[in-house]
Amino acid sequence: DAKTTQPPSMDCAEGRAANLPCNHSTISGNEYVYWYRQIHSQGPQYIIHGLKNNETNEMASLIITEDRKSSTLILPHATLRDTAVYYCIVRVYMNSGYSTLTFGKGTMLLVSP
Amino acid sequence: DGGITQSPKYLFRKEGQNVTLSCEQNLNHDAMYWYRQDPGQGLRLIYYSQIVNDFQKGDIAEGYSVSREKKESFPLTVTSAQKNPTAFYLCASSDRDSDNQPQHFGDGTRLSIL
Repeated sequence: DAKTTQPPSMDCAEGRAANLPCNHSTISGNEYVYWYRQIHSQGPQYIIHGLKNNETNEMASLIITEDRKSSTLILPHATLRDTAVYYCIVRVYMNSGYSTLTFGKGTMLLVSP
Repeated sequence: DGGITQSPKYLFRKEGQNVTLSCEQNLNHDAMYWYRQDPGQGLRLIYYSQIVNDFQKGDIAEGYSVSREKKESFPLTVTSAQKNPTAFYLCASSDRDSDNQPQHFGDGTRLSIL
C-alpha cells in the first residue's frame, strides 16, 4: 500500500497562500493522489485529485513532483473558513478489485486573522 | 440539491441492541461506502458496494452488516456483536469505483453507547 506522510499541523495568515506538503514515496504508477478536508464534526469535503500533472480548480491547486513521490496542495488566498484538517490520500486498488481511500491523521491547518 | 444524506445525526444505543444508520444519495452514483472515524484518527473502511445487491467487507467489517437493495440507499446496521461501537460514522458515494472518481461524503452519524 502507498502511505502518505503529512505534518501534523501548520499555521497560515489570512489572505496568504497556504502550502500543504505530502510525501507518498511508495506510490505506484497508476495510483492517484486525492486531497480532502474535514471541519470538526462534518464529513470530509473533496478538494482535488491528480495522477502526474498539476491540477487546478476553484478551490485549490495541486502540484505533483515529476517523480510523483510528493505533492503540495495550495490554497491561494486562505480564509478563516479554510481552518480544517487536510488529508492527502492515495487511492489503492486491492486484490479483490475494490479500491479504498486510506485516511491518515492529516494536517491541521489553522488560519489566523 | 444533490448530495448524500445521513440520518440521524446523533444516535444512542443500549447494550445488546442493534441500530441502523441511514445513508441516501441522489447523485445517481454506483458505488457507496461506509467508514468509521474514532477521535483524532483517520477513516477506516467498514463496507463497500459497487452495484445494487452486491457489497464487500472493508478493513473492519466485524460486528456490522449492510444491504444494497436500491441504488440510492446503503444502510449500515451496527449489531450487538460490535463491542466498541462509539464512533463517528461516515457514508460516501462515487460515480464509478474503477474510474478514479472522487468519493463524496455525508455529514455523518455520531453513535454513542448509553
